[in-house]
Amino acid sequence: AQSVTQPDIHITVSEGASLELRCNYSYGATPYLFWYVQSPGQGLQLLLKYFSGDTLVQGIKGFEAEFKRSQSSFNLRKPSVHWSDAAEYFCAVVPYNTDKLIFGTGTRLQVFP
Amino acid sequence: EPEVTQTPSHQVTQMGQEVILRCVPISNHLYFYWYRQILGQKVEFLVSFYNNEISEKSEIFDDQFSVERPDGSNFTLKIRSTKLEDSAMYFCASSEQGQSQETQYFGPGTRLLVL
Repeated sequence: AQSVTQPDIHITVSEGASLELRCNYSYGATPYLFWYVQSPGQGLQLLLKYFSGDTLVQGIKGFEAEFKRSQSSFNLRKPSVHWSDAAEYFCAVVPYNTDKLIFGTGTRLQVFP
Repeated sequence: EPEVTQTPSHQVTQMGQEVILRCVPISNHLYFYWYRQILGQKVEFLVSFYNNEISEKSEIFDDQFSVERPDGSNFTLKIRSTKLEDSAMYFCASSEQGQSQETQYFGPGTRLLVL
């Protein structure tokens, strides 16, 4: 079955530490891949997306993600986390030939000073 | 920067009542979407809409749901007879084009509580 998996429900890091949020997908063909962030009381904001080309994608707020076809993964990274990065992060895919986003369950990031 | 807006931010209704959730997409966008997120669960696609027609809908989007673009700016989701399980955060989104790689811009959501 087609799915998006975010294995970590909740991650806690110290401010200044590096961060990696995991995302795996299960689709027949490589879908289009997205990371969204949701701050409390806010809508979903796009951090970055991948649909072709360079497998390392740069996004806003210092985030990057790497697409690894062999692992069906699209992990989100940031070298140094800021307290304002505390939020919920959603990995999402758009299967080929549709325009509907299919979301993972999300990872809640908590940042300690 | 243009943004998607949604009203109301919160709505409480009695089971069996009709509710209309409103969205104003970004002005030059042509494709519109509704998603919902039941508390503690993932964000789920409900419906996509283009050129005054539904392009795609999920199994969730049954006959109790309808969407409409009544004028040039608003995009609405109507739930005819609400059930307890319709309690959720409802997100509207829009995109310039309907292609798979296009960014969908989301509104802040309407939290619906059905009692």
